[in-house]
Amino acid sequence: GESVGLHLPTLSVQEGDNSIINCAYSNSASDYFIWYKQESGKGPQFIIDIRSNMDKRQGQRVTVLLNKTVKHLSLQIAATQPGDSAVYFCAETEDYKLSFGAGTTVTVRA
Amino acid sequence: NAGVMQNPRHLVRRRGQEARLRCSPMKGHSHVYWYRQLPEEGLKFMVYLQKENIIDESGMPKERFSAEFPKEGPSILRIQQVVRGDSAAYFCASSPGEIYEQYFGPGTRLTVT
Repeated sequence: GESVGLHLPTLSVQEGDNSIINCAYSNSASDYFIWYKQESGKGPQFIIDIRSNMDKRQGQRVTVLLNKTVKHLSLQIAATQPGDSAVYFCAETEDYKLSFGAGTTVTVRA
Repeated sequence: NAGVMQNPRHLVRRRGQEARLRCSPMKGHSHVYWYRQLPEEGLKFMVYLQKENIIDESGMPKERFSAEFPKEGPSILRIQQVVRGDSAAYFCASSPGEIYEQYFGPGTRLTVT
């Protein structure tokens, strides 16, 4: 499943499929980007980060891609699991003030 | 290694009362940030503190809100004379340095009745 466009608030994905969550950031001066996962009633949980001198970074089951030309960030989750159901936020900064997008709610179907 | 701790987790206040929110950063972290989250929205930056110093409070309302991070003890976000519009989730984050990943606590959910 994939979210497209500036902002798609929900994404439904079949368990086992790959998920792609997209984010358009606003500040061309931003040089540090983070993806967070937030489950209901909890604080944002750090997933993966990337600096502007990179265009791809991989973690465990997750990959972040950065396209500075079009100010676009994406998070790919491989083999999506029920525990991946949450709201996902991208955050950008050029110093310490994180600016968060509105978030994408991911629902994993069994 | 304990994560960022916040208390209370839930706080109910009547209009006009004071709310005090506490945050203990992760061990070894000396940078603390407070964010506010309204329902269905992303987090909004409020204030950035280091020990005994407010570095940036540009996101915090000028009136009724204050924050501190004393030499000893937790960081405190204080809201005086609360109004219904202050109802939100308040999150604290900490980091070991200024341009590092910020780790968030579980938040304090403030309800003003």
